[in-house]
Amino acid sequence: SAVISQKPSRDICQRGTSLTIQCQVDSQVTMMFWYRQQPGQSLTLIATANQGSEATYESGFVIDKFPISRPNLTFSTLTVSNMSPEDSSIYLCSVAPGIEQFFGPGTRLTVL
Amino acid sequence: QKEVEQDPGPLSVPEGAIVSLNCTYSNSAFQYFMWYRQYSRKGPELLMYTYSSGNKEDGRFTAQVDKSSKYISLFIRDSQPSDSATYLCAMSAIQGAQKLVFGQGTRLTINP
Repeated sequence: SAVISQKPSRDICQRGTSLTIQCQVDSQVTMMFWYRQQPGQSLTLIATANQGSEATYESGFVIDKFPISRPNLTFSTLTVSNMSPEDSSIYLCSVAPGIEQFFGPGTRLTVL
Repeated sequence: QKEVEQDPGPLSVPEGAIVSLNCTYSNSAFQYFMWYRQYSRKGPELLMYTYSSGNKEDGRFTAQVDKSSKYISLFIRDSQPSDSATYLCAMSAIQGAQKLVFGQGTRLTINP
């Protein structure tokens, strides 16, 4: 298994600002994933982050809006840029050290 | 049409009842099937992992996969109030549980 922490756990932000979410894992992993869980909706994969290379974004998500860093094998950040109320959501990072995927506790973002 | 369909509920049953949760899917490439449990304000927690068709049992939980019908189920026996949570099915075509596609989640309440 893997123990994942995220910071901040929650935040309330103003429209037009940006927020960077941090994800820390207790072991080295090749891939980290970022998901969004909108109110009443399921989890949607935003991007996959490999250490040392550009993140791979899913359809509907772009790097300008959700830039990702992956400086080492235990850490990643996701930035939500130029936020609007539609970005209000829970953002989760996850890792798959083996055949199973484990999730962090999530960051609950509210944009006013 | 969504790739994975899951009845969002809510589902409310008395303690001790057998609970059946289901998902259907349209992508025949899915080979890896998972059930996650998500408590309020927490990240998803992996409950069951199944590869291809068949059954898998773990304590009070049984996962079934019928690839011919593109249908998966999670059964909870002797349900407890602590089982009250949202249950999400997830699927992947790629080994290593990458690029998971989630169902909407079923909110389950077990009444004492």
